Amino acid sequence: EIVLTQSPGTLSLSPGERATLSCRASQNVPNNYLAWYQQKPGQAPRLVMYGASSRATGIPDRFSGSGSGTDFTLTISRVEPEDFAVYYCQQYDSSPRTFGQGTKLEI
Amino acid sequence: EVQLVESGGGLVQPGGSLRLSCAGSGFTVNNNYMSWVRQAPGKGLEWVSIIYNGGSTYYADSVKGRFTISRDISKNTLYLQMNGLRPEDTSVYYCARHLGTTMVSHWGQGTLVTVSS
Repeated sequence: EIVLTQSPGTLSLSPGERATLSCRASQNVPNNYLAWYQQKPGQAPRLVMYGASSRATGIPDRFSGSGSGTDFTLTISRVEPEDFAVYYCQQYDSSPRTFGQGTKLEI
Repeated sequence: EVQLVESGGGLVQPGGSLRLSCAGSGFTVNNNYMSWVRQAPGKGLEWVSIIYNGGSTYYADSVKGRFTISRDISKNTLYLQMNGLRPEDTSVYYCARHLGTTMVSHWGQGTLVTVSS
């Protein structure tokens, strides 16, 4: 089972600042099969990034993803008010399709 | 348009059973990888189970032997049969459709399961 560890647990920023979220895997994630999801209170998660660096449909280009192997990063170049949420990474190479514990991006 | 609508949640006593349903529209459930993901109150996402388009199934260790994922082709519906429920199973349960064999592309709105006496 691939264990994903996200850091930091909480990231406190102001609008316009740069956000860097980390996701570290306990073993190699083949094919960079790593996705990021955004979840706002009371809502279902929403796909943000897949394949480590491909933006999902409708996601603005201030979001970018990078990394390979065991270390992955989600970056928001200039945080907008609507970006404050919890972000989860998930590996989808193999089952169990584990999630990280989440990073809360707060004002 | 792809839509997933869950139902079947509610209050159940410890040791009881519940069956969740997820009705799909805009796509064919049987042709897709489908998952159940849950979220305990105030906690993060926990992957629960997946069924591949070929029928293979996998479960989280926390539910193995108690939960069963299945689908009904005629109703285009995904199910999660939950037996031997425990208080720690209390969560919002989300149905999810995968894009091919890869990541989740669509989520249902979730259904709340509360296990309590």
